[in-house]
Amino acid sequence: DIQMTQSPSTLSASVGDRVTITCRASQSISSWLAWYQQKPGKAPKLLIYKASGLESGVPSRFSGSGSGTEFILTISSLQPDDFATYYCQQYNTYATWTFGQGTKVEI
Amino acid sequence: QVQLVQSGAEVKKPGASVEVSCKTSGYTFTGYYIHWVRQAPGQGLEWMGRINPSSGGTNFAQKFQGRVTMTRDTSISTAYMELRSLTSDDTVVYYCVRESAGGSSGTFDYWGQGTLVTVSS
Repeated sequence: DIQMTQSPSTLSASVGDRVTITCRASQSISSWLAWYQQKPGKAPKLLIYKASGLESGVPSRFSGSGSGTEFILTISSLQPDDFATYYCQQYNTYATWTFGQGTKVEI
Repeated sequence: QVQLVQSGAEVKKPGASVEVSCKTSGYTFTGYYIHWVRQAPGQGLEWMGRINPSSGGTNFAQKFQGRVTMTRDTSISTAYMELRSLTSDDTVVYYCVRESAGGSSGTFDYWGQGTLVTVSS
């Protein structure tokens, strides 16, 4: 199975900060990577698909980049609503889906 | 609007089986894969497998091969996930999830509300 490793596990930041989260795949997944945001007690919400595609309705301060085995989620200016846990996910590879372990963004 | 409504919380004994249902509405059931994802309290997301509601074909994570079954009933637009030989490690929330189509095909666009399964003697 393809393993996904996120870093850091926890990130402390302030409103207005630029935040980056890294996700590494154990083998190349081309651009088949998504990012999700999850708040406590809620289901995850899709932010980014195919490494850099912004899901409809998601603020433009969120962006994704990368291909192959290394990917980055960037929040250009952290807002109060952005404090949450973020997961990367590889998909469409060998009919398996795998999530990273998550990155909690806290104040 | 698209909705995925799951069955209620379950309490099971070790070694037992559990079946969780996922009733869908607001879209063509046979047009989108349904996945099952689970999450332990305060922990990360774990993909279990998926079913093609049109054909009934399935793909499973290696970890769950032989212990999970995914089925569907197209007449009532409902998917089912059965997990057997339960242990305390299976005490988690189970989500059914719709796989999106179009440009974001392969990602997950709609989630059920989650079903907590508690395994306890």
